[in-house]
Amino acid sequence: AQSVAQPEDQVNVAEGNPLTVKCTYSVSGNPYLFWYVQYPNRGLQFLLKYITGDNLVKGSYGFEAEFNKSQTSFHLKKPSALVSDSALYFCAVRDSDRDDKIIFGKGTRLHILP
Amino acid sequence: EPEVTQTPSHQVTQMGQEVILHCVPISNHLYFYWYRQILGQKVEFLVSFYNNEISEKSEIFDDQFSVERPDGSNFTLKIRSTKLEDSAMYFCASRDSSNQPQHFGDGTRLSIL
Repeated sequence: AQSVAQPEDQVNVAEGNPLTVKCTYSVSGNPYLFWYVQYPNRGLQFLLKYITGDNLVKGSYGFEAEFNKSQTSFHLKKPSALVSDSALYFCAVRDSDRDDKIIFGKGTRLHILP
Repeated sequence: EPEVTQTPSHQVTQMGQEVILHCVPISNHLYFYWYRQILGQKVEFLVSFYNNEISEKSEIFDDQFSVERPDGSNFTLKIRSTKLEDSAMYFCASRDSSNQPQHFGDGTRLSIL
């Protein structure tokens, strides 16, 4: 069965510094990987995805993520954090060879300190 | 940009009552989903729906749950006899083709008293 691990409950970063939110996954088939962001009292907003091709994918709001097959990781990164990036971030995986559902990690709360 | 729309934003219901949560997916999307998020926990898959039938469901989606696409635009989740543990945020999602991400609505907060 597929699973997603986000090892950090919370990440604190000073504004202007680079940020990384970690994610590792487990699937039996080919992974489709996603990052979503959730602001207070809002739904899940799509940030970026990896389906195939370049391991470095770029998404909304300057975020990017690197797919690493050998380490089964898909860490979210941004070169320079903004206070407005503070939110709850979810990594998610779909086993493209098996089914349609997305499995989410437990989420990482990102605090950008002014 | 087109959005998934969910109503109501908050639903309060007595235990044992039936509740219907409403969703309007993005208009050209073909695949529809319901997820739930119990307060402080991860987002959990409930059910997926394609071509007017359920394509997959989780263990959570028992006989008390049902989904329906009554017309060309709405996608509803019904809970027949609600329990206290059904209290959660329920998210509807939709997508178009195979490689595209699911787009989520803002959710309905269901509170069972």
